[in-house]
Amino acid sequence: NAGVTQTPKFRILKIGQSMTLQCAQDMNHNYMYWYRQDPGMGLKLIYYSVGAGITDKGEVPNGYNVSRSTTEDFPLRLELAAPSQTSVYFCASSYSNYGANVLTFGAGSRLTVL
Amino acid sequence: AQTVTQSQPEMSVQEAETVTLSCTYDTSESDYYLFWYKQPPSRQMILVIRQEAYKQQNATENRFSVNFQKAAKSFSLKISDSQLGDAAMYFCAYLRGGSEKLVFGKGTKLTVNP
Repeated sequence: NAGVTQTPKFRILKIGQSMTLQCAQDMNHNYMYWYRQDPGMGLKLIYYSVGAGITDKGEVPNGYNVSRSTTEDFPLRLELAAPSQTSVYFCASSYSNYGANVLTFGAGSRLTVL
Repeated sequence: AQTVTQSQPEMSVQEAETVTLSCTYDTSESDYYLFWYKQPPSRQMILVIRQEAYKQQNATENRFSVNFQKAAKSFSLKISDSQLGDAAMYFCAYLRGGSEKLVFGKGTKLTVNP
């Protein structure tokens, strides 16, 4: 199994450009998440989804959009990129939030906005 | 809002020795979970250990163990017989029971010296 796959691994954007970070999991997990990790900081939740067709905001949703049309895929859309969105983005998934919510993470996508 | 504090930005340990990483958290909830995640240079986030708040017994996973002091809201990680492969960023994280929102500390960078 591939687990959680993120693409691209690296990307440089100009201010005002848009892009989509792709995330796919093959573990039939219901829950999926997007986090961002700024230098010297822990991860902060951007958006999450508890199943296909259901998404909700996390701690830092501004400037991002998500969709969940299938169980496997959870893309993160950046509209009008800003330097403040320079970060490493992690997608994660879990089977449920019952009990301890053990997440499986992707390898991360490093985004630079210039 | 729940917060997680890791007061040691960096720690170092000699190979084969023991090191303890500190974590404190703030919550008024009684149902919650605590985690330690490891992030090696590859950036992949890996679960090290987890603790259910209702369990008094400290969790242990091979060379990794925790000291969970519920009243003090402290959750430290002890790594015994440190190995070079233990070098990484370590993040403490908190999850309120029934929530999808994992809250991370800022991390502790662990260096293992040969």
